[in-house]
Amino acid sequence: DVKVTQSSRYLVKRTGEKVFLECVQDMDHENMFWYRQDPGLGLRLIYFSYDVKMKEKGDIPEGYSVSREKKERFSLILESASTNQTSMYLCASSPGQTNTGELFFGEGSRLTVL
Amino acid sequence: AQKITQTQPGMFVQEKEAVTLDCTYDTSDPSYGLFWYKQPSSGEMIFLIYQGSYDQQNATEGRYSLNFQKARKSANLVISASQLGDSAMYFCAMREGHTNAGKSTFGDGTTLTVKP
Repeated sequence: DVKVTQSSRYLVKRTGEKVFLECVQDMDHENMFWYRQDPGLGLRLIYFSYDVKMKEKGDIPEGYSVSREKKERFSLILESASTNQTSMYLCASSPGQTNTGELFFGEGSRLTVL
Repeated sequence: AQKITQTQPGMFVQEKEAVTLDCTYDTSDPSYGLFWYKQPSSGEMIFLIYQGSYDQQNATEGRYSLNFQKARKSANLVISASQLGDSAMYFCAMREGHTNAGKSTFGDGTTLTVKP
């Protein structure tokens, strides 16, 4: 069964801490994405990557960075966590060549910053 | 301007009845794709159905169908014969362009509750 795995379902961090959210997919997909989900705001794209070592900013990249050293792994980094980054973070992937472009999602990582 | 608009924050439907979830979109790109995803309380987003902008017929997948009205820029999801397991949040999404595979913009979502 194809899978996108996010390393932590629930995290609690303190303001100012550095936070790593890891995402691994086993489908050999070229494209990977990080979204954040907040009530009433839907999903908003933070960063995405079309290839190894390549990254592009999404709609809300401020306060975040990403790393893609291997095709299967896409990491989201909060350099100095703030309370307004408390949210649900969703990782997704999609194949490079596709007629549709539907996303395959992980289960999400709920981050609380105190 | 919001690219994807879902005007129904919450919807109720009786079990075994049909329900329509509304979605309107805004784009000037002639090539785009429209998606619906389901998010149960467990949190994982599940792809339901896809409609391409050049597709002549409305997409169907089992009990799901997409009522695509291109001139009105609407892409409503119809769920027939609702089941209790359909209770979830539903998101409409759009991918613009034909090469931008996967980069999608999402609406705010509609919470559907199926009543027994």
